[in-house]
Amino acid sequence: AQSVTQPDARVTVSEGASLQLRCKYSYSATPYLFWYVQYPRQGLQLLLKYYSGDPVVQGVNSFEAEFSKSNSSFHLQKASVHWSDSAVYFCALTPYGSSGNKLIFGIGTLLSVKP
Amino acid sequence: DPKIIQKPKYLVAVTGSEKILICEQYLGHNAMYWYRQSAKKPLEFMFSYSYQKLMDNQTASSRFQPQSSKKNHLDLQITALKPDDSATYFCASSQDPGRGGQLYFGEGSKLTVL
Repeated sequence: AQSVTQPDARVTVSEGASLQLRCKYSYSATPYLFWYVQYPRQGLQLLLKYYSGDPVVQGVNSFEAEFSKSNSSFHLQKASVHWSDSAVYFCALTPYGSSGNKLIFGIGTLLSVKP
Repeated sequence: DPKIIQKPKYLVAVTGSEKILICEQYLGHNAMYWYRQSAKKPLEFMFSYSYQKLMDNQTASSRFQPQSSKKNHLDLQITALKPDDSATYFCASSQDPGRGGQLYFGEGSKLTVL
């Protein structure tokens, strides 16, 4: 069965520091992978996605993620966080070749950025 | 301005009652979805609709019935409510129901069943 694990329920960093949010997945092949963000009082928004090719993908607001098949991981990174990055971040996958946009989500990581 | 409108944002219901969650999208999308997030659990796929036709149903209980009266509407009727139904219900849409497309989500409707 497919699953997504986000081991850190909450991460706190200082403004200007670098950030890594971890995501591990379980799937027998290579899935499509996503990071979504939910800012307070808003719906989830897509940050970035990985389908194939270059394992490092760029997203909005200078976020990037690196896919590792050997580690079954898709960690999200940012070089320098801003207070406005405070939000809940969700990692998700959909099986390769599937239809219907049935995403399998992790539980989410709450990011708090201290000024 | 939010492009996916969910109503109400918060609602409280008593066990055994019935509620309807409203979702309208103004993105011109052809596919719509419902997801549910219960406390301390990941978002869970419930239904997908494409061109007002049910594509996929991962909800075991028939108490959950999606209703699509218009292409840009996908309401969720929940009958015989139970406390375990307490969750935030998210409506989403995508341009088409293809593989791995970008989903756009509403803000959610938080349901509490007493």
